[in-house]
Amino acid sequence: AQKITQTQPGMFVQEKEAVTLDCTYDTSDPSYGLFWYKQPSSGEMIFLIYQGSYDQQNATEGRYSLNFQKARKSANLVISASQLGDSAMYFCAMREVSPPGGSYIPTFGRGTSLIVHP
Amino acid sequence: KAGVTQTPRYLIKTRGQQVTLSCSPISGHRSVSWYQQTPGQGLQFLFEYFSETQRNKGNFPGRFSGRQFSNSRSEMNVSTLELGDSALYLCASSFDREDEKLFFGSGTQLSVL
Repeated sequence: AQKITQTQPGMFVQEKEAVTLDCTYDTSDPSYGLFWYKQPSSGEMIFLIYQGSYDQQNATEGRYSLNFQKARKSANLVISASQLGDSAMYFCAMREVSPPGGSYIPTFGRGTSLIVHP
Repeated sequence: KAGVTQTPRYLIKTRGQQVTLSCSPISGHRSVSWYQQTPGQGLQFLFEYFSETQRNKGNFPGRFSGRQFSNSRSEMNVSTLELGDSALYLCASSFDREDEKLFFGSGTQLSVL
């Protein structure tokens, strides 16, 4: 079963508008972390934002915020005031902190392609 | 501070050959992990190394192997290449295994003909 689901293969947004990229996850581990990465055409994965399962407030990093709804198991990324340079693939990932064997390996979703129009 | 460096950037090989990919982590980082990215399978975990020891291995055949050196640099090797091994191979580093943030390189694009 997929642990991370990104249902939007592609999204379009106009420059300066806000956009929400969806991510739902599945885990029975009470302690986990959720991440978003950006992958431009250059290939490098760029860390954007992190949310711990016990964090009370939604994480924010500049124009990025994570809308964390624990009961619904969703961790949507909100990008405010989109810029042309935001055009890229966006990946949601989850790391279960205390699985058997102590693995810290994140599981990635399939990604959402975001295109920002001028 | 230099980022994660992966070499070479592009590789073209033929079936049956072997290939070695290199990853130099950010200075001071001790944990290195490798991922295979394909359009069909997405990002799949290959290996994790910490202090020269393989800590985790993904679900890949034995043709995929790796190692980490005392300076934390890592290499991965794929023997007897198959067409399906064509992919972007990404390396990521962090100071410690529990670090929240992984720093990725730009990857090595491997094409198997």
